[in-house]
Amino acid sequence: DAGITQSPRHKVTETGTPVTLRCHQTENHRYMYWYRQDPGHGLRLIHYSYGVKDTDKGEVSDGYSVSRSKTEDFLLTLESATSSQTSVYFCAISESGQASQQYFGPGTRLTVT
Amino acid sequence: GIQVEQSPPDLILQEGANSTLRCNFSDSVNNLQWFHQNPWGQLINLFYIPSGTKQNGRLSATTVATERYSLLYISSSQTTDSGVYFCAVELYNFNKFYFGSGTKLNVKP
Repeated sequence: DAGITQSPRHKVTETGTPVTLRCHQTENHRYMYWYRQDPGHGLRLIHYSYGVKDTDKGEVSDGYSVSRSKTEDFLLTLESATSSQTSVYFCAISESGQASQQYFGPGTRLTVT
Repeated sequence: GIQVEQSPPDLILQEGANSTLRCNFSDSVNNLQWFHQNPWGQLINLFYIPSGTKQNGRLSATTVATERYSLLYISSSQTTDSGVYFCAVELYNFNKFYFGSGTKLNVKP
């Protein structure tokens, strides 16, 4: 299994508070991704990174920001959490982006009350 | 964006039965992967298969890129095959994957 960890694994927070989720990899892969999973929607891409300090938006990026200061870490920040951001968040990595396999972390369950 | 449709949405099998899951996509793709999400939520990469056929034990997959569909075959199903199966596609020149809504499989003993 690819070496991908996510922290925290579970979090409950209140509306309006900032939240940061962390994804850490030990594979030295260039590409990292953040997805959210909601019932009936499968997985939807939030943001992705194609290198240190290089990021781009996915299809559901509103309300989220990301940062990648090191190859191994990719942070997802909810500046002011809303109830609609209650979801399961998955991090994924791939070696070269185009035409390469993605490997997923264990997920973070976030509840915004 | 690209449309990714999976069928059937739900499937119940008796242990030992065979099944075929389908993934249709609306545009030419550079990459297609099949994933299994187990009942504990873990996503496991089954196949990377932009075209052609691959087999791994009781599972096999075929992608016909020119006709924009992929099939996942599960033979002699086991209760451990239960979970949700997703296909995900990537368009040419875009580093973005689009997932279908999944097929939820329940294999009964």
